[in-house]
Amino acid sequence: DSGVTQTPKHLITATGQRVTLRCSPRSGDLSVYWYQQSLDQGLQFLIQYYNGEERAKGNILERFSAQQFPDLHSELNLSSLELGDSALYFCASSFRTGSHSGTNTGELFFGEGSRLTVL
Amino acid sequence: AQRVTQPEKLLSVFKGAPVELKCNYSYSGSPELFWYVQYSRQRLQLLLRHISRESIKGFTADLNKGETSFHLKKPFAQEEDSAMYYCALGYNFNKFYFGSGTKLNVKP
Repeated sequence: DSGVTQTPKHLITATGQRVTLRCSPRSGDLSVYWYQQSLDQGLQFLIQYYNGEERAKGNILERFSAQQFPDLHSELNLSSLELGDSALYFCASSFRTGSHSGTNTGELFFGEGSRLTVL
Repeated sequence: AQRVTQPEKLLSVFKGAPVELKCNYSYSGSPELFWYVQYSRQRLQLLLRHISRESIKGFTADLNKGETSFHLKKPFAQEEDSAMYYCALGYNFNKFYFGSGTKLNVKP
């Protein structure tokens, strides 16, 4: 068990609605990453947080937002949902601090994902 | 800009046949390359990383800086190798870029 937990595991909602996905990183990991996995587009990077601050942004829609809280858990908010938002949303965490310490890039540890179905 | 290309969306081989999953990258600095695997109904997990230079589950991958490639190879595929494989580029110590993935199907 990698220690990254995501809730809910499954979520079914209607178009136009708003949902919140939650992620708890491994103990001690400061960086949290959100990815979207859909059938046709593979794994798409959405956003990264490090110790509460946004560190990098990928292909994240304006309807989506995220934050990382002081206890390091993160939430991904998806609003005005569309059918095309149906996907598996993964959270991952990394133990690296993000500083240029001269050490190698750390391994990403993934959660089991939250499967969102928009009807 | 950094980029990872996995040209094959689906690769089907027979059990016992050699398999090679291709990965090419584009990055101006010194990259770290990884292969992640996702078995059916399981989370993504690290398979191997180039700095380790090790063989995991019979898989190996060599970083070829001249060809900017990091192809994943296994001499004799097994049915349990069927999974989704992602090549990933690590850079700036905590950033990652994933390829679009290759689904490997090993037929009996």
